[in-house]
Amino acid sequence: NAGVTQTPKFQVLKTGQSMTLQCAQDMNHNSMYWYRQDPGMGLRLIYYSASEGTTDKGEVPNGYNVSRLNKREFSLRLESAAPSQTSVYFCASSETLRQENTEAFFGQGTRLTVV
Amino acid sequence: SQELEQSPQSLIVQEGKNLTINCTSSKTLYGLYWYKQKYGEGLIFLMMLQKGGEEKSHEKITAKLDEKKQQSSLHITASQPSHAGIYLCGAETPIKTSYDKVIFGPGTSLSVIP
Repeated sequence: NAGVTQTPKFQVLKTGQSMTLQCAQDMNHNSMYWYRQDPGMGLRLIYYSASEGTTDKGEVPNGYNVSRLNKREFSLRLESAAPSQTSVYFCASSETLRQENTEAFFGQGTRLTVV
Repeated sequence: SQELEQSPQSLIVQEGKNLTINCTSSKTLYGLYWYKQKYGEGLIFLMMLQKGGEEKSHEKITAKLDEKKQQSSLHITASQPSHAGIYLCGAETPIKTSYDKVIFGPGTSLSVIP
């Protein structure tokens, strides 16, 4: 049972380069999310997709774009990487909303360094 | 906007000792999640609390949500090295939208010394 799969696990970019972080879930979940985690700041929501075909901005969307390619896949794109985007990125998914014990499943994370 | 604070920021305990981690919100919480993260790994869901005064347990970990739904505590009894990691509390924002976004606290780093 793969759950949420993120690729790559590690990436080093030069300032100005672009890249796409891939995320796929095999649990038939409707909602998917991208977070970034920085020391002392916890997880912050970048973008989310409540259902296939919809995407919305989270707390820190600037410098990122997303695509909900289908129900399984939700990608995060950095068009022009900046050192401030050095972080650990987590993708997550959840079945539906507002249910007791709604659980979000997280990927293993992508450690991105922008030099 | 809603903010979550966690205390302590880091904790080092000897194996077998009990410990408590706190999560405080600036606003009333709708749902409060506790996650555990090991370094370099993803997050593991521990439990979710929704009702004021609610308490849930999983193995040696107990989480409580106060009556006012603004503070939660995570208590570990007889800690073991396997409990080491970063504990994050997360909360649903109170705004009713198509998705109630979850925000997270800064995390509490727990080390358990054998």
